[in-house]
Formats: sequence, structure tokens, C-alpha cells
Amino acid sequence: DIVMTQSPDSLAVSLGERATINCKSSQSVLYSSNNKNYLAWYQQKPGQPPKLLIYWASTRQSGVPDRFSGGGSGTDFTLTVSSLQAEDVAVYYCQQYYSRPYTFGQGTKLEIK
Amino acid sequence: EVQLVESGGDLVQPGGSLRLSCAASGFIFSNYWMDWVRQAPGRGLVWVSRINSDGSTTDYADSVKGRFTISRDNAKNTLYLQMNSLRAEDTAVYYCAKAGAGLDYWGQGTLVTVSS
Repeated sequence: DIVMTQSPDSLAVSLGERATINCKSSQSVLYSSNNKNYLAWYQQKPGQPPKLLIYWASTRQSGVPDRFSGGGSGTDFTLTVSSLQAEDVAVYYCQQYYSRPYTFGQGTKLEIK
Repeated sequence: EVQLVESGGDLVQPGGSLRLSCAASGFIFSNYWMDWVRQAPGRGLVWVSRINSDGSTTDYADSVKGRFTISRDNAKNTLYLQMNSLRAEDTAVYYCAKAGAGLDYWGQGTLVTVSS
């Protein structure tokens, strides 16, 4: 199984500042035949289901604000919130969909400092 | 508008069974693979199962293999999860999700509690 490890577990950032969450996979999730990273990011607010933010590691889902961006390749990935807003307080998860089981990271709780 | 509505969650005793349903609308259900993902209280997300668009291929997490069965009725636009031999550790909110590149739409979830 591919193990997804996120860091940090929690993060407090001031409003308007940048927040960066890391996700590391235990093996590459880059599929060489199409050069795509099978990595997604989700946002989950309290009492709500997860919401897809980013897929293919860096493609923003329709309707997601452009302050959210994804980067990285192979085994190391980042989710960046360029200017933190109050509504961004949530738990963020990465997930690999390269091979079954389609494992999630443990989550990173993003809060306002 | 894509909608996924889960139902069937309940309190059940260890060793019992339950069938979850997920009613889909707003997209061509028969064209898409579907997943079940669960989340124990206060814990993270765990992938449970996947089914392909015509129901001919299924996959399961090792923790539920042999106990859970995923299925679908494309005529009724409904996804199912039959859960047998339930254990306390199966207690969670169960989400159905539409699979594409990632899981692009999720239901609100249904709570399964396994306890005596």
C-alpha cells in the first residue's frame, strides 16, 4: 500500500498570509505513460463532507478560488493557500489514486493565528 | 446539479448487517465509477470500496474484504454497500463519492454505529 504522510499535523497562519501543507507518498504516484501525478487535495470543514480542491496534483477544480494551488511531482507534493481567508479554516487531506487502496494522508488542520 | 444522497445508516449490534444506499442525480450515473469512503468519529478519511461504471469490477480495502459488497443499479441511479459481520471498528460516517480524477462529488454521509 502507498502510505501518504502529511506535514504538519496542524498549522496556524495569520489572515492574509501564506499557508503551505506538505504531502509525501511512500512511492511515486507519477504515471510515466501520461506524465500525470495521481494526487488530489481535499478540504473538509466541520460537519461537512470533503470537497475536491486539486486533482492531477496541480489542476484546480472548477469553482475553487485561485488562492489555492498544488505543486510537486513523484513523491513530494504541496498545497498552498496564498492568502489565508477566514473561510479556509478546515482540515486538508491529500489522496493518491495511482493504485489501490486509494490512500489518504492523515489530514492537516489549518487554523487562524 | 450533481447530488449524492446516502441513506441506511443505523445503530447495529456487532456481527450484524446493514445496507447503505446512495441515490445519484444530476449526472449520467452509468458513465462513472463510484466509491465509498468512511470516516470514524474525529478521525481521517479511509477509502473503502470502488465499483466501475457497469458494475463488473469491484475493489475493497483489506479491512472490509469478504464482509462488504459494493453494487449498483444503473437503472435506478443508485449505489449500494452491503455490510455484513459488522465490527465496532466499522463505526463511521460513510460517504459515497463520484470518481473521476480524484473524487469530485461527495454525499453528506450516513452514520453507521456498531455497538451492543
